Amino acid sequence: AQSVTQPDIHITVSEGASLELRCNYSYGATPYLFWYVQSPGQGLQLLLKYFSGDTLVQGIKGFEAEFKRSQSSFNLRKPSVHWSDAAEYFCAVYGQNFVFGPGTRLSVLP
Amino acid sequence: DAMVIQNPRYQVTQFGKPVTLSCSQTLNHNVMYWYQQKSSQAPKLLFHYYDKDFNNEADTPDNFQSRRPNTSFCFLDIRSPGLGDAAMYLCATSREALLPGYEQYFGPGTRLTVT
Repeated sequence: AQSVTQPDIHITVSEGASLELRCNYSYGATPYLFWYVQSPGQGLQLLLKYFSGDTLVQGIKGFEAEFKRSQSSFNLRKPSVHWSDAAEYFCAVYGQNFVFGPGTRLSVLP
Repeated sequence: DAMVIQNPRYQVTQFGKPVTLSCSQTLNHNVMYWYQQKSSQAPKLLFHYYDKDFNNEADTPDNFQSRRPNTSFCFLDIRSPGLGDAAMYLCATSREALLPGYEQYFGPGTRLTVT
């Protein structure tokens, strides 16, 4: 069975600063990887996904993620954060089944 | 717009009083999922339907049931809600249960309060 960890429970960045949210997985093969965002009181929205091919994946809202097989990681990045990016971010992995990570809460300072 | 709709957005029920949450979709997807999300936690899959085939997660309590009368609608029934069942309930759909059609589309959720 696979597992996914997000080491950072809560991250605070200033508006305009760059952002990196970490995601690590454990699985015997290359899983399929997703990042979702959840605004307060809302459902989840898919930001991007990786199935195969180019390891740098572009998503919506200016986000990108890079799959690194050697590090079992799929970190989410954004070069310049906007106040509206404040939300909960979930990494998810599909191997034998679909599993969400515990989430990282992003706060943005004005 | 095609989407996943959940009604109501907020539901209050009494301890032990059955409650039903509703989900509908206009995406014509084969698979519908129900997740439970407690405060500051990740969503936890309760069960899913592939078409009419029901798939229960091993650790989903018997108190939770589901119905899918047609492609568009899926219901979550909580037979005897306890205080521990207070949570956000998320409905999701996907075109297929396997990749590449596995991308899940989520509704806005129903916040359940148990008094």
